[in-house]
Amino acid sequence: RKEVEQDPGPFNVPEGATVAFNCTYSNSASQSFFWYRQDCRKEPKLLMSVYSSGNEDGRFTAQLNRASQYISLLIRDSKLSDSATYLCVVKPGGGSYIPTFGRGTSLIVHP
Amino acid sequence: GAGVSQTPSNKVTEKGKYVELRCDPISGHTALYWYRQSLGQGPEFLIYFQGTGAADDSGLPNDRFFAVRPEGSVSTLKIQRTERGDSAVYLCASSFEPANEQFFGPGTRLTVL
Repeated sequence: RKEVEQDPGPFNVPEGATVAFNCTYSNSASQSFFWYRQDCRKEPKLLMSVYSSGNEDGRFTAQLNRASQYISLLIRDSKLSDSATYLCVVKPGGGSYIPTFGRGTSLIVHP
Repeated sequence: GAGVSQTPSNKVTEKGKYVELRCDPISGHTALYWYRQSLGQGPEFLIYFQGTGAADDSGLPNDRFFAVRPEGSVSTLKIQRTERGDSAVYLCASSFEPANEQFFGPGTRLTVL
């Protein structure tokens, strides 16, 4: 089983739709969780950190479920500009700072 | 301010040649990471520096790969006897401290013919 798993998609949704991605991780001791966004042929950029209590940033909501070892990203009112690959990132903690990236989920928002 | 920069942006080389890839992190960032990304995959960790020292090089695939950061700022990733399988985008990231957010450079696209 891979350390961090994501459905590669693509998720094809119309503008205005709500879409959700999940990401599962295998290391139960993982401490830090993030969502990055990567546009085609560009570098990854931090979208948001994922906190235990869940957090929201505008149209984006991130949730952590430690019991089931997954994190989720919800995008409401999708825009064309949301089209990108969304990378799930997990850090182990315990003095280790090596993040593990998922392969990414591709989102295509169409008119 | 200036972000992470990487040079060259593209590098085409022949199998068996030696290449050097350079990363210039954000000023003041103590942690520097190298990753490799293949098409359709997420970035794969190679090596991480805290200051001048390699804190973790467990991701380097073999001894053809080596990286240095002699003054705790600029880092160079060195690949000897390149193979076609080394073709990928090599990404560098830096953070103020290891626990903080990482900022990525634009990457170097390496093609080994």
